This record gives sequence, C-alpha cells and structure tokens, in this order.
Amino acid sequence: EVQLLESGGGLVQPGGSLRLSCAASGFTFNSYAMNWVRQAPGKGLEWVSAISGSSGSTYYADSVKGRFTISRDNSKNTLYLQMNSLRAEDTAVYYCAKSGGIAVAVSDYWGQGTLVTVSS
Amino acid sequence: EIVMTQSPGTLSVSPGERATLSCRASQSVSSNLAWYQQKPGQAPRLLIYGASTRATGIPARFSGSGSGTEFTLTISSLQSEDFAVYYCQQYNNWPPDTFGQGTKLEIK
Repeated sequence: EVQLLESGGGLVQPGGSLRLSCAASGFTFNSYAMNWVRQAPGKGLEWVSAISGSSGSTYYADSVKGRFTISRDNSKNTLYLQMNSLRAEDTAVYYCAKSGGIAVAVSDYWGQGTLVTVSS
Repeated sequence: EIVMTQSPGTLSVSPGERATLSCRASQSVSSNLAWYQQKPGQAPRLLIYGASTRATGIPARFSGSGSGTEFTLTISSLQSEDFAVYYCQQYNNWPPDTFGQGTKLEIK
C-alpha cells in the first residue's frame, strides 16, 4: 500500500524558513517523480514543485522560484521542500504527491498534507 | 500560462441523477487533462487522466470526455460519497501544470 506522510509544517514568521519532509513507502521511490502541491485555506490547488526520480531535474512554480528548493533522498525514501523567505501568501496545506508515471504532473497518490502558517 | 476555467462553480444534483461538470482551457491542451475529487479535510484523489482514462479503482460511473479546450466529467448516477469538490488539471504545457478553480458538487 502506497503511503505518503508529510511533516514539518507549523507557524513561522514572515521571512522565516521551514523544511517539509514526506516519508514514502509501498512503492519503488526512486522510480517515480514527486510533486508538492499546496492549498491555501478555502482555496483551490496550486502546484508548487516537482523532482524527477533520480533528482536530476527539478521544477518550480514562478511563485516560489528562488525561495523554495525541492530535493529527495532515495536511500531514505524521503522527499523534502526547503522553504525560505516565507510570505503570508505561502500559508497553505502542503501535499506531497507521487507522480503516476503518465506525466510528472499527474499525481496518483497524495499524502494528507501538512499546514504551514506564515504570520507574525 | 494556460488558464483552466471550470463551470459551474456549484452544482446541485439529487442522488441517483447524472452530474455533468465542465472544464475549459484557454488554449489547446490536447488530451492532457486530469480530474481529481476532493472531499472536506481530505487529500485530492485522481479520477481521470488523458481526458478519458479512469485511474485505478475508480468506479465506471465516472467518465471523462473532450480534447483541445473543452472537457467534461460525467458522473452517471450520483452516490452519496460523490458529493465533493472536483478539479481539472492540464499537464500539456508543463511546467507549470494548472488546476481549475474547482466545482463543488452538492446534494440537492
């Protein structure tokens, strides 16, 4: 059974940093690209970042480019999102999602999410 | 960036009836379109990809159609568990992939 478990969310001040983690199990982690998708309170879904299975390629939404860094440790089956220079508009539930292999962006399994609140 | 527009914003349908949700792209996305279902407090769930292919384990009452700029998700006979928010997502011009704003399907 595929499982994705996010952690690392919390309350942070504007300008601060946070590192999210996503522990994966139930599939061959290094064979699949992974995504981070966020959802602001009461709003829709916004793709944030993606990384290939080998970590050779990374992709970012313009809204986070230069501030967020996606990475993965295939030996630990773990995905990360380092978030720097956080802004109030980054407040959201952050989901870790596994690419289904159809296309990087199409996610067939999702974690339950971790809430990031950026506020003073 | 491609803009995805879903309609209606809210759809009220009785259990057992058919629901038809629409998604329009600002430019052609070929058949590179997915649909997701999200229930309150839960993560999204992949329903359809490639505009019309059901994901693993998705009941046959869910069907997708369309190509280019116009897409439809049809739920043939609504069950109580189908009332949720539905999002379309284009992945033709990626990155970024873009989601529609969602359609809330509520019980009439």
